[in-house]
Amino acid sequence: SAVISQKPSRDICQRGTSLTIQCQVDSQVTMMFWYRQQPGQSLTLIATANQGSEATYESGFVIDKFPISRPNLTFSTLTVSNMSPEDSSIYLCSVESGDRGQWEAFFGQGTRLTVV
Amino acid sequence: GENVEQHPSTLSVQEGDSAVIKCTYSDSASNYFPWYKQELGKGPQLIIDIRSNVGEKKDQRIAVTLNKTAKHFSLHITETQPEDSAVYFCAASIEQAGTALIFGKGTTLSVSS
Repeated sequence: SAVISQKPSRDICQRGTSLTIQCQVDSQVTMMFWYRQQPGQSLTLIATANQGSEATYESGFVIDKFPISRPNLTFSTLTVSNMSPEDSSIYLCSVESGDRGQWEAFFGQGTRLTVV
Repeated sequence: GENVEQHPSTLSVQEGDSAVIKCTYSDSASNYFPWYKQELGKGPQLIIDIRSNVGEKKDQRIAVTLNKTAKHFSLHITETQPEDSAVYFCAASIEQAGTALIFGKGTTLSVSS
């Protein structure tokens, strides 16, 4: 399984500011994903990030609000822009890892964001 | 698009009993069905998964069954222990070839000793 590190683990931010979350993987992976988990809720896919191409966003999420970078096969960032209290959530990085045809999805520990 | 329903939302069992959590999905193209355990303040931990070409998979006290025709899959935990207490999420792949996932709403499992 892949080991995924996210930074920061938590942060408290002022509304109107932006926060960039980093995701580092201990091995090269093709597929990386960003999810949001609102308080007490399930996980919702924000976007898929592949190296060398633009991220693909799910319905309800836009690049201006959640810009994503994927500069190489072990790293990605998600920025939460112009934050409001409604953006208070856990943001999770996920990667696809394993043998060809037997991919599995693993998650980092998440970044707990509180917007005040 | 894919939709995943999960039941029950809460489940309380006595230590040593079995626990069963059920999920249904809507998209017949989904072919990857993982289960995650999430403890307070932690990220989801993959505990078992199954693919559409398999009907059942077991790993010690945990098993997952899949019925492709009925589009439902279930998590079975036997001989439950207090440390099994957590929130469990089922998920289904959005696309046939990837691991982008749609999640169920979660089941809070409480195991009392």
